[in-house]
Amino acid sequence: AQSVSQHNHHVILSEAASLELGCNYSYGGTVNLFWYVQYPGQHLQLLLKYFSGDPLVKGIKGFEAEFIKSKFSFNLRKPSVQWSDTAEYFCAVKNSGYSTLTFGKGTMLLVSP
Amino acid sequence: SQTIHQWPATLVQPVGSPLSLECTVEGTSNPNLYWYRQAAGRGLQLLFYSVGIGQISSEVPQNLSASRPQDRQFILSSKKLLLSDSGFYLCAWSVRGGETQYFGPGTRLLVL
Repeated sequence: AQSVSQHNHHVILSEAASLELGCNYSYGGTVNLFWYVQYPGQHLQLLLKYFSGDPLVKGIKGFEAEFIKSKFSFNLRKPSVQWSDTAEYFCAVKNSGYSTLTFGKGTMLLVSP
Repeated sequence: SQTIHQWPATLVQPVGSPLSLECTVEGTSNPNLYWYRQAAGRGLQLLFYSVGIGQISSEVPQNLSASRPQDRQFILSSKKLLLSDSGFYLCAWSVRGGETQYFGPGTRLLVL
């Protein structure tokens, strides 16, 4: 069965610092990869996704993620975080041919002004 | 555009009482529907998913059940709540055969 690992449960950064959140999955084959974000008091929403093609994908609010198939990884990055990026971030993986997503446990990001 | 609704937003129930949480989707037809439970530090756990009316797949055997009486309605139920059922319940939908899931606002359930 697929499993998803997010390396850090909590991350604290100052504004303008660079961000990288790790995500690794266990089961190979063709996968679809997602990052979701949940801002305080808001719905879980899609940040970006990878289905195929260029392994470097860009999402909303300046976020990007790179799919490295050989490392089973899909790390999320942002060059310069803002206070408004404070949220919980979830990595998710969908195996091709299946209807369901497997989520990581989430990383809580706190950005101090 | 599509919207997804969940109610109630918050619920406090005694142990042993029944439960019914409702999720409805507007603006789409024949969606896949999903119920998740979100616990702090444990991510999102898929509970049930449905690819059509009356078709329910259970991912984790437990005290809960799900039903889909209409195309765009998904209900999460329990006959007798346990303390361990407390949590944040999220409903999601996706286009049939689609890859991306879209989430509702969630229901926070506290069982006392």
